[in-house]
Amino acid sequence: QKEVEQNSGPLSVPEGAIASLNCTYSDRGSQSFFWYRQYSGKSPELIMFIYSNGDKEDGRFTAQLNKASQYVSLLIRDSQPSDSATYLCAANTNAGKSTFGDGTTLTVKP
Amino acid sequence: NAGVMQNPRHLVRRRGQEARLRCSPMKGHSHVYWYRQLPEEGLKFMVYLQKENIIDESGMPKERFSAEFPKEGPSILRIQQVVRGDSAAYFCASSPRSGGANEQFFGPGTRLTVL
Repeated sequence: QKEVEQNSGPLSVPEGAIASLNCTYSDRGSQSFFWYRQYSGKSPELIMFIYSNGDKEDGRFTAQLNKASQYVSLLIRDSQPSDSATYLCAANTNAGKSTFGDGTTLTVKP
Repeated sequence: NAGVMQNPRHLVRRRGQEARLRCSPMKGHSHVYWYRQLPEEGLKFMVYLQKENIIDESGMPKERFSAEFPKEGPSILRIQQVVRGDSAAYFCASSPRSGGANEQFFGPGTRLTVL
């Protein structure tokens, strides 16, 4: 079992729809969680981080964390073609090391 | 306010040569992380360093790979006697703090090609 698993893609949604990206983690010592966006050939770009159970909203993005279920998600509302990228979920322990999932590729079709 | 800088951006080496990858963290950041990404795969943690200290090198191959972050100057990831399987994108990230709540900011990466 991988330490951080993301739902297998690719995920395709029409423009304007909600894209839902999911991530589960196995290490109960994980304390904080991060979502990165990576365009093809580029480096990861931090989108959001979440530490507490519940929802955290930032513009069109909402991160959700459920520590009991060891589950993290990212919702993208009003998806745009420019959101088409690979989304990486990462879990950090208090030691600071980040463990990344393999990513989910999202395509937003105009 | 420069971000994380990495150089070179592209590096071509022949089998058996050495590769040196450099990373300058963001201003005010003293924590550096190195990751490797193979084509169509996720990021794999290699090593976590603070100034003059290796904190966690659990992701580093036991042979040929080494990393340092001296008191002055950039962090260096060194790969000796490169093999074709070392061809990958190597990303450096920096963070202003330690611990779990340490959002990391990535550099543009160095794409290593081993001929």
